[in-house]
Amino acid sequence: ELKVEQNPLFLSMQEGKNYTIYCNYSTTSDRLYWYRQDPGKSLESLFVLLSNGAVKQEGRLMASLDTKARLSTLHITAAVHDLSATYFCAVDIGGSRLTFGEGTQLTVNP
Amino acid sequence: NAGVMQNPRHLVRRRGQEARLRCSPMKGHSHVYWYRQLPEEGLKFMVYLQKENIIDESGMPKERFSAEFPKEGPSILRIQQVVRGDSAAYFCASSRPQGKLFFGSGTQLSVL
Repeated sequence: ELKVEQNPLFLSMQEGKNYTIYCNYSTTSDRLYWYRQDPGKSLESLFVLLSNGAVKQEGRLMASLDTKARLSTLHITAAVHDLSATYFCAVDIGGSRLTFGEGTQLTVNP
Repeated sequence: NAGVMQNPRHLVRRRGQEARLRCSPMKGHSHVYWYRQLPEEGLKFMVYLQKENIIDESGMPKERFSAEFPKEGPSILRIQQVVRGDSAAYFCASSRPQGKLFFGSGTQLSVL
């Protein structure tokens, strides 16, 4: 059974600081996704990572994928309050069926 | 393009009643997925359907839960004889074949 583990599960940080969220998974996959979810809302797609060494950046967020280590990272640069949300990584197990991590609840404090 | 449409947004049922959740995929999408999210947890895959076919229902509970995606009309997730443990947010997603998933806004089911 595929396991997807995120850490940390809870992250409280100050505005302006940098931090990284980690996503480890237990089997090979050719697609990894990062999503953002605000309380009571649906999932917003942030990144799709398709190959080893893939790096994508959007604003203050940057995601990377190391398929050999089965590890993806989501790096936050100079955090702002608007980034407060829960972030999920999800691994494609085939046919676009996704296995999600537990989520990282990020709170950015002024 | 209206996106993935789910209704109702909120559904309250008493124990033993039936819950029917609807999902209309994005235009041009032939694949539908249902996921369940319990509080403070990630989404768990339930079922993957194409028009008139169930492709993978490995995440569906064996009893009381069923799903369909008819030739015409929305996909339906049906839960019979609901229990308190069924209370969760149910998300539908759709895609083209091997395409990116787009999620709906979800249905929050509360069982009293």
